[in-house]
Amino acid sequence: QQQVKQSPQSLIVQKGGISIINCAYENTAFDYFPWYQQFPGKGPALLIAIRPDVSEKKEGRFTISFNKSAKQFSLHIMDSQPGDSATYFCAASISGGSNYKLTFGKGTLLTVNP
Amino acid sequence: DVKVTQSSRYLVKRTGEKVFLECVQDMDHENMFWYRQDPGLGLRLIYFSYDVKMKEKGDIPEGYSVSREKKERFSLILESASTNQTSMYLCASSPGPIMGEWTQYFGPGTRLTVL
Repeated sequence: QQQVKQSPQSLIVQKGGISIINCAYENTAFDYFPWYQQFPGKGPALLIAIRPDVSEKKEGRFTISFNKSAKQFSLHIMDSQPGDSATYFCAASISGGSNYKLTFGKGTLLTVNP
Repeated sequence: DVKVTQSSRYLVKRTGEKVFLECVQDMDHENMFWYRQDPGLGLRLIYFSYDVKMKEKGDIPEGYSVSREKKERFSLILESASTNQTSMYLCASSPGPIMGEWTQYFGPGTRLTVL
C-alpha cells in the first residue's frame, strides 16, 4: 500500500515558468514532509521540508504548500531554470517515537527547457 | 559536510553469486538505510539499522540481508543474486531527530547489473 502518492510522473516546463509537483498522503500520523532533489548520477539530497504547523514554507525559489485537511502538500519552483532539471521526491515521516523511516513518493522527473 | 560513500559505482555480477555492497558514513550517525531505486517505483526501503548490530526489515527485504558491525559501516548482502535484483542501490545515513526532522544523507549509489 503506497502511503504517499506523487504526481505527475514527469513534467516539462519552459525556463522562467512555474513547476508544481503534488503529493498526497494517507497516514494522519505523518508530521514531517521533506522534498528531496536528485540529479543524474547522484544520490537524493534534502531540498526543503515542512511541518504541519505551518501552511507554507519558502526557501529562495522553492516553496512547499501544505493542506492538512486535504492531506496534501506540493512543491512549487518559481522561475524554473534548466539547472533545476532533476528528479524530485516527496516524503513523509512521523517525527516522534521510534520511527526512523521516510516514506517516499515515486518521484517526478522535471525537465526545464531553455 | 556529511559524506556517505559506497564501495562501487557500477557492479556486474552473475546469477547465483554472493554480492556485497558496502556503505560508509563519516558523521557518527546512528541510523543507516539501504534503498533500491527503480524507474517508476521510486525509492524502496530494503533494510535499516538504528544502532550497531541492530537491524530492521524495510518494505522489500526478501533476498537481502545486512550487516552492521561498526557504527560507520553498513553492508547489504545479496546471498544469491538474481536478475530481478538488477537495480540502483542507495545507502543513506541519518543522525536521528534534530528538531523533529529525520534528514537522510544519501551516497551516490551503486548500479548493480545481474546477468
